[in-house]
Amino acid sequence: EVQLVESGGGLVQPGRSLRLSCTASGFTFGDYAMNWVRQAPGKGLEWVGFIRSKTYGGTTEYAASVQGRFTISRDDSKSIAYLQMNSLKTEDTAVYYCSRDPHYFDFWGQGTLVTVSS
Amino acid sequence: DVVMTQSPLSLPVTLGQPASISCRSSQSLVHSSGNTYLHWFQQRPGQSPRRLIYRVSNRDSGVPDRFSGSGSGTDFTLKISRVEAEDVGVYYCMQGTQWPPITFGQGTRLEIK
Repeated sequence: EVQLVESGGGLVQPGRSLRLSCTASGFTFGDYAMNWVRQAPGKGLEWVGFIRSKTYGGTTEYAASVQGRFTISRDDSKSIAYLQMNSLKTEDTAVYYCSRDPHYFDFWGQGTLVTVSS
Repeated sequence: DVVMTQSPLSLPVTLGQPASISCRSSQSLVHSSGNTYLHWFQQRPGQSPRRLIYRVSNRDSGVPDRFSGSGSGTDFTLKISRVEAEDVGVYYCMQGTQWPPITFGQGTRLEIK
């Protein structure tokens, strides 16, 4: 059974950093690109970015709203995708989800809440 | 960027009646591979999104057959043949054809009348 579990959320002050993790199981993690999607309170879904599999260079793509502040990485030996969030803004407050495969988004985690507030 | 426009944004439906949601993209969603990466997601209250339909018209495992997807190019539709109480939630279309960025529709909130 495919499972994705996000962790690392919490309350953080504006301008600070936070790293989220997405721990995968039930499939060969290294074969898949992984996405991050966020949802601000009461709002819709917003794609944040994804990281390709090592087969495709492990390169990344980002939404304009986070480009230069957020970095996605992966550790295939641990089946974990990371979202490093720097220079956080109040508008980054959201539930952050990881999901598999940017063409398909076939599986999602339960999400982790990030609150950016002073 | 490909803009995804859903309508209606609010959909009150009587139990047992049909429902239909439209999703239009600002550009064709036909990929160079010939696939159309247009998917539909359901988000029940307090839950993560769940994919219902992939590549326009393919139902995911465990999705009731009252859900169906259709369309092509830039014009797509999600239909529910007979709405049940468990269908309450927000429905999103999403395109995975042209990125970055990957884009979602604004969401359609389905409620029981």
